[in-house]
Amino acid sequence: EAAVTQSPRNKVTVTGGNVTLSCRQTNSHNYMYWYRQDTGHGLRLIHYSYGAGNLQIGDVPDGYKATRTTQEDFFLLLELASPSQTSLYFCASSDVDNSDYTFGSGTRLLVI
Amino acid sequence: KTQVEQSPQSLVVRQGENCVLQCNYSVTPDNHLRWFKQDTGKGLVSLTVLVHENDKTSNGRYSATLDKDAKHSTLHITATLLDDTATYICVVGDRGSALGRLHFGAGTQLIVIP
Repeated sequence: EAAVTQSPRNKVTVTGGNVTLSCRQTNSHNYMYWYRQDTGHGLRLIHYSYGAGNLQIGDVPDGYKATRTTQEDFFLLLELASPSQTSLYFCASSDVDNSDYTFGSGTRLLVI
Repeated sequence: KTQVEQSPQSLVVRQGENCVLQCNYSVTPDNHLRWFKQDTGKGLVSLTVLVHENDKTSNGRYSATLDKDAKHSTLHITATLLDDTATYICVVGDRGSALGRLHFGAGTQLIVIP
């Protein structure tokens, strides 16, 4: 069954720590996205990608890097984590015309 | 500036009652609009997508309308169940293409009580 799988489900790190969030999709979609969700806000786009090796900057990219190693795999990197990055992170994939959008189950990150 | 506004922010209904959730937006162009259901701490699950002016969709106990002139959508849930307790998120896509961006509302938190 086609899906978007995120790991880990939960992560705790200290301020200044290094964190990598992983996302894999089996939908054969070209496009993948990283969002963060915070109370009182809609999902906000961090980075997205059109395909392997491609990276596009989203609306809230500061403090985040991303890398798309294959069509299936998209990683979000926090190299110097800060408490403001405590959030619920979602990965998603979509087809070319955005008619099919699939979200992962989320990664809850706590930076202490 | 928030381009997708949802109301109410939260809503409590008794099991079996009907409810209506509202979504107003200013996104231009407005290619399509989706309603998602998000259980607490979980991912977003698509309920329905509306594309055309005055579109109406139905998916079991969920039905939705879209008025592109008014830039307004409603999600109706009939005969609510306890499992309907969730956050419902309105999302507007500004293009039906690779250049398209999604604009998310903050959600309506629905609580269904016995």
